[in-house]
Amino acid sequence: ILNVEQSPQSLHVQEGDSTNFTCSFPSSNFYALHWYRWETAKSPEALFVMTLNGDEKKKGRISATLNTKEGYSYLYIKGSQPEDSATYLCAFSSGSARQLTFGSGTQLTVLP
Amino acid sequence: DSGVTQTPKHLITATGQRVTLRCSPRSGDLSVYWYQQSLDQGLQFLIQYYNGEERAKGNILERFSAQQFPDLHSELNLSSLELGDSALYFCASSVGFGGSTDTQYFGPGTRLTVL
Repeated sequence: ILNVEQSPQSLHVQEGDSTNFTCSFPSSNFYALHWYRWETAKSPEALFVMTLNGDEKKKGRISATLNTKEGYSYLYIKGSQPEDSATYLCAFSSGSARQLTFGSGTQLTVLP
Repeated sequence: DSGVTQTPKHLITATGQRVTLRCSPRSGDLSVYWYQQSLDQGLQFLIQYYNGEERAKGNILERFSAQQFPDLHSELNLSSLELGDSALYFCASSVGFGGSTDTQYFGPGTRLTVL
């Protein structure tokens, strides 16, 4: 059983604050790490797919880093806006199990 | 809008019944994935089809089955329904055969309520 842990479970920040959260996954037999953004009443939307140790990806004010040796990825949001409020999911796959195993998500609320 | 469509949006049924959920992938995508989101659990992978063939199987109960048709739409059949089957069922699609670097595009989901 592959365990993907996300922390914190929920987070409230003020508009303009920068924030980050963590995804932990098994470091052995790593294949890929995905980040998704899931707004209430909508469907999960892909943010990043990361495969290489040390990878950094950026999309506007959102960026992510990957450390496959120690088994974690960080998602950063710079200058949070109320429209960033959503649940951020990470999903991991290993070489032996091609399908994605999702974490429970970090629920971000950005207060105006 | 991801381009993945799912019908129906909501479904209310009784225990013991059978239902069919339908998914149309994005144009050009050959893989379809089914996920279950229960209240107390994260997204759980159920099954994947690629170009009509079953490609990978996750935590799918024997009471559940799926198929992908020649036009690439997919159906998830849930039978002998139990209260615990109440959940949000998502379909996702991707271009490739599911090497897990493929980006998956999610549909809006079908909310199933079993009474």
